[in-house]
Amino acid sequence: DGGITQSPKYLFRKEGQNVTLSCEQNLNHDAMYWYRQDPGQGLRLIYYSQIVNDFQKGDIAEGYSVSREKKESFPLTVTSAQKNPTAFYLCASSTWDSNNEQFFGPGTRLTVL
Amino acid sequence: GEDVEQSLFLSVREGDSSVINCTYTDSSSTYLYWYKQEPGAGLQLLTYIFSNMDMKQDQRLTVLLNKKDKHLSLRIADTQTGDSAIYFCADSHSGGYQKVTFGTGTKLQVIP
Repeated sequence: DGGITQSPKYLFRKEGQNVTLSCEQNLNHDAMYWYRQDPGQGLRLIYYSQIVNDFQKGDIAEGYSVSREKKESFPLTVTSAQKNPTAFYLCASSTWDSNNEQFFGPGTRLTVL
Repeated sequence: GEDVEQSLFLSVREGDSSVINCTYTDSSSTYLYWYKQEPGAGLQLLTYIFSNMDMKQDQRLTVLLNKKDKHLSLRIADTQTGDSAIYFCADSHSGGYQKVTFGTGTKLQVIP
């Protein structure tokens, strides 16, 4: 059963703590992405990776970090430097297919207390 | 920078047609997409259209593209309560890294 998984579904964090969100895919996709979703603002790109051991900043990378040590995995760390981290985080992956469809995970809702 | 705009909310009665509209600014867009997001879930691709097409029909879904006006629409015929969701318009380009730009999303409410 191919797909993309994110864990946990809900995450609570105290201010000043770093937290890591997991994203795993078994679709054999080369590219992976992290988006942040806030009400009324759509999806904003945080980081993306086109290939293992390489990643690029998206539009709102400040306060976030990523790694891509394996093709299947693209974890996102929300650091204490992120000023407003409470949001819904979505991970996606895609292949270099003709229509560039992105496949999304179920999301992680992060709440900072 | 590139922008994709949608109205935030649409309410229709069950059985009616829904039309969700989108405008985009990048004239070099190659693909335009409609994604659906159900509450608390990720996005799922509904349909897409290549930029050299005017229309695409897929069962209850009809996509219309006016490239001159940079306007994309999604028509859902015989709207059902299960169609209640947020619908995102998006565009991307071919070649190299294919960044996808998403709109703000339109929340469709279907009234029984």
